[in-house]
Amino acid sequence: GENVEQHPSTLSVQEGDSAVIKCTYSDSASNYFPWYKQELGKRPQLIIDIRSNVGEKKDQRIAVTLNKTAKHFSLHITETQPEDSAVYFCASPGGSQGNLIFGKGTKLSVKP
Amino acid sequence: NAGVTQTPKFQVLKTGQSMTLQCAQDMNHNSMYWYRQDPGMGLRLIYYSASEGTTDKGEVPNGYNVSRLNKREFSLRLESAAPSQTSVYFCASSTASADPSYEQYFGPGTRLTVT
Repeated sequence: GENVEQHPSTLSVQEGDSAVIKCTYSDSASNYFPWYKQELGKRPQLIIDIRSNVGEKKDQRIAVTLNKTAKHFSLHITETQPEDSAVYFCASPGGSQGNLIFGKGTKLSVKP
Repeated sequence: NAGVTQTPKFQVLKTGQSMTLQCAQDMNHNSMYWYRQDPGMGLRLIYYSASEGTTDKGEVPNGYNVSRLNKREFSLRLESAAPSQTSVYFCASSTASADPSYEQYFGPGTRLTVT
């Protein structure tokens, strides 16, 4: 089955700096890669996703890149702000029935 | 629209007790999911239902049962609670059936403690 590994587990940056979180996946047939953000005490929410027919997708200060050959994808946050502090999860399809396999999460702390 | 709702928000059980976590969505979604979240372990899928009338095991189904009561409701039952089931439980739903490439909408979670 699919295996998703996420690094780093914790990341601390200064406000205004960039943050990068990386995930690798094992199933070469995977074709959809979402990122979810979970603020402290809240529910996870989708912030951006990418499909395998594109290499990069941007939405304001966040972007996701995909390298299908190497089987990894990354979340990039530029000009970080304190409100970006949260746990971020990557995911990849887990099988034929519509479920996702999530990475273990990255706790991002943005210091003012 | 309330989205995805879960009850209860908090629960404390003694070892061996049983309980049912309730989840409902008002978005006419086909797929529904139950996850547990433990520190450092991310979101692990317990069971999911790709459509009304079907359920399938996820990564960590042992000790749990589910019922897709109708299109709106998907319940999770712990028959004999164990301390290892102390966790935060999230329900989620998605518009697609058997297609992971659609956003999952999560409920607010249930924090369960088993003593």
